[in-house]
Amino acid sequence: DTGVSQNPRHKITKRGQNVTFRCDPISEHNRLYWYRQTLGQGPEFLTYFQNEAQLEKSRLLSDRFSAERPKGSFSTLEIQRTEQGDSAMYLCASSPTGNYGYTFGSGTRLTVV
Amino acid sequence: RKEVEQDPGPFNVPEGATVAFNCTYSNSASQSFFWYRQDCRKEPKLLMSVYSSGNEDGRFTAQLNRASQYISLLIRDSKLSDSATYLCVVNMNNQGGKLIFGQGTELSVKP
Repeated sequence: DTGVSQNPRHKITKRGQNVTFRCDPISEHNRLYWYRQTLGQGPEFLTYFQNEAQLEKSRLLSDRFSAERPKGSFSTLEIQRTEQGDSAMYLCASSPTGNYGYTFGSGTRLTVV
Repeated sequence: RKEVEQDPGPFNVPEGATVAFNCTYSNSASQSFFWYRQDCRKEPKLLMSVYSSGNEDGRFTAQLNRASQYISLLIRDSKLSDSATYLCVVNMNNQGGKLIFGQGTELSVKP
């Protein structure tokens, strides 16, 4: 499979717990993006990497959120002390440098109870 | 004001109908424009890019008016399989390729 892979597909967690999601981009893509999507809304940008460098973070990314891409390949998104408002679909996408070939993964659906 | 605004719908149309979606964007520096399609509980997928000259792909026609900061998508002869949410998307280019999405317009095509 040469697409963008996200794990897990679904995650149910209790409020206050930490969760970590993984994204494996298309191997030749040097840009990797994280988005969050809630019901009835379009995806909202969270952060993006060019290779291992995190180049931009949205104001939506509170101190409880951290993303890494240590070797410029896969990325992880961690949410600490989850809150019910964190319940959403977390989408990862990758692209080569430039605007074309932007591919999304299937997402990780987080439910905080 | 949201950066990209769409009518959320839903649009309920019969098969064979023509349906038009509208979108406005607030930042005049926006460089690239797209329509994405998103099926229920799936990831967004690129439907088509939008160019100032207008472009067509089969039953789908996209238009861009930079002066009015307005983007449209026209679907002719709609099919049941067109039922989905259509997302208007802009890209600032100089901001590293991140996409800015509208909230999406839901389309339901009925037999």
